[in-house]
Amino acid sequence: KNEVEQSPQNLTAQEGEFITINCSYSVGISALHWLQQHPGGGIVSLFMLSSGKKKHGRLIATINIQEKHSSLHITASHPRDSAVYICAVGETSGSRLTFGEGTQLTVNP
Amino acid sequence: NAGVTQTPKFRILKIGQSMTLQCTQDMNHNYMYWYRQDPGMGLKLIYYSVGAGITDKGEVPNGYNVSRSTTEDFPLRLELAAPSQTSVYFCASTLNTGNTIYFGEGSWLTVV
Repeated sequence: KNEVEQSPQNLTAQEGEFITINCSYSVGISALHWLQQHPGGGIVSLFMLSSGKKKHGRLIATINIQEKHSSLHITASHPRDSAVYICAVGETSGSRLTFGEGTQLTVNP
Repeated sequence: NAGVTQTPKFRILKIGQSMTLQCTQDMNHNYMYWYRQDPGMGLKLIYYSVGAGITDKGEVPNGYNVSRSTTEDFPLRLELAAPSQTSVYFCASTLNTGNTIYFGEGSWLTVV
């Protein structure tokens, strides 16, 4: 079992839909990261969370430390949101960042 | 700020050749990482470093070597390239695992 599990693996939505991507982890963490990878390959950081909730534009990230679970929400989705969304955790026990396999999101016009 | 700079962006190697992927960051970050990403797959950790002079193996270190002589630079060396090393390589850095992660643009490597 991977230390970081994302669901779903693939997600197709219509423009305007509300989208949720989930991330569960099994280790103690110092922080959880949500990243976005566009088709060209570049990876950018969207959020870094250690508790609660953060919002940036149409994106919202939440984390429940007790349940070891985080969600990334996209409101009013748009075709330009099509990308791979990756969850990563920084473990309290070490220096590594452990990545989920990613969620491929496609938003159709 | 340049952030994290990786070179080269694209490279084709013949089996058995060697090469070095360069990674430089100008943010004075302690932690640096090398990942590989195979098509349709997630990021796998090759090597990482928590500071100058300190390196450690990740999940998939075989066939690679690294060094960290300065805070800024973290080169990845491929010795005796094999087709299984065809992948996209990403360098990343962060101040520590509780801070924002910055990625290089990736290096596309094909071994033929």
